[in-house]
Amino acid sequence: DAKTTQPTSMDCAEGRAANLPCNHSTISGNEYVYWYRQIHSQGPQYIIHGLKNNETNEMASLIITEDRKSSTLILPHATLRDTAVYYCIVRVADATNKLIFGTGTLLAVQP
Amino acid sequence: GAVVSQHPSWVICKSGTSVKIECRSLDFQATTMFWYRQFPKQSLMLMATSNEGSKATYEQGVEKDKFLINHASLTLSTLTVTSAHPEDSSFYICSAEADRGETQYFGPGTRLLVL
Repeated sequence: DAKTTQPTSMDCAEGRAANLPCNHSTISGNEYVYWYRQIHSQGPQYIIHGLKNNETNEMASLIITEDRKSSTLILPHATLRDTAVYYCIVRVADATNKLIFGTGTLLAVQP
Repeated sequence: GAVVSQHPSWVICKSGTSVKIECRSLDFQATTMFWYRQFPKQSLMLMATSNEGSKATYEQGVEKDKFLINHASLTLSTLTVTSAHPEDSSFYICSAEADRGETQYFGPGTRLLVL
């Protein structure tokens, strides 16, 4: 399974963009990068996913490097409610399509 | 769309009793549902994968006779913790996907406390 590496924690000022990095150097060509976040004591919330191209939705943007070995999740205007643990996951490309969660990045948005 | 619910949201039980947790996909049919467990200050750990109408596939180290999973319909999966003990106290979370490889959506979780 392709592993991901994320910083343990990050701070961001409210209203500024939050850029969360993720390394996945062993990713296979057909494996997707998924981002979820978990606010304290809640179930994970889906944010965005991508394969090769950059993606954007109403929540965030996902920038994937050309070699696919790393990606960055961008929250364009962070709010206090964005404080959460953010998980970058490479989805297993087999019959199970499992999500294997790592330790994630605790993003603390400061007022 | 893509809403997954769990019931109950929290439960307290005595050691030795069994507890059933329900996971429902409210606005889509889920061919596959997943069950996770999360201990305090730790990440989610996948326990098992269940497909409608077939036996669940358990991850290594998860006792299938202790954690009974039933996926009787395309919108409902249940996890039964049999003969619960204090070490089973945890946050149990389910997820569901409409088709294989589709995005997984998570429920809000069920907090179990075994006394």
